[in-house]
Amino acid sequence: DTEVTQTPKHLVMGMTNKKSLKCEQHMGHRAMYWYKQKAKKPPELMFVYSYEKLSINESVPSRFSPECPNSSLLNLHLHALQPEDSALYLCASSRDREGNSPLHFGNGTRLTVT
Amino acid sequence: KQEVTQIPAALSVPEGENLVLNCSFTDSAIYNLQWFRQDPGKGLTSLLLIQSSQREQTSGRLNASLDKSSGRSTLYIAASQPGDSATYLCAALNNFNKFYFGSGTKLNVKP
Repeated sequence: DTEVTQTPKHLVMGMTNKKSLKCEQHMGHRAMYWYKQKAKKPPELMFVYSYEKLSINESVPSRFSPECPNSSLLNLHLHALQPEDSALYLCASSRDREGNSPLHFGNGTRLTVT
Repeated sequence: KQEVTQIPAALSVPEGENLVLNCSFTDSAIYNLQWFRQDPGKGLTSLLLIQSSQREQTSGRLNASLDKSSGRSTLYIAASQPGDSATYLCAALNNFNKFYFGSGTKLNVKP
């Protein structure tokens, strides 16, 4: 079992829908991450939050909007997505951003855009 | 930009064999290097983290080494088991706090 919980596990949405992905951790970690992973490819970094503030945005299109309501929660709001956005979306956390602690991943949300 | 390469892309071995997975990176200015395993359709499970000042880390049947000067890390799996079958990824953390992932080695351990 993973200590980073992601919901939902699967999501199918149309290009005009608005949906949100949720991520939760109770390990006291202060850095949280969103990654996107296409089939047979490594994870690609999208966003990093450090102490609830957005610290890295890897030039992600505005149809993806992250939010960190508190130190335990991370959301990814989706709007007007394209079929090529279909992927596994992974949330991760670490104790801090100083490189001294490992990344802990959730099991991901499998997103299909129709 | 850091580039991380993993060789081989796929590996099939009989149960009980010892094996080595390779990871190379182009920028030696890393904070740490982490090894993960990923089962199909799942997230990544952290296996070992090696700080830049360390040479190796061990956990059970796994041993990871790091040679910053040559830009290489290896993951050694002793006495492989069918349950070890998964994709193994390495990731290097650089100064801008970004983890750069390799494309992974897909391991199949045959009973």
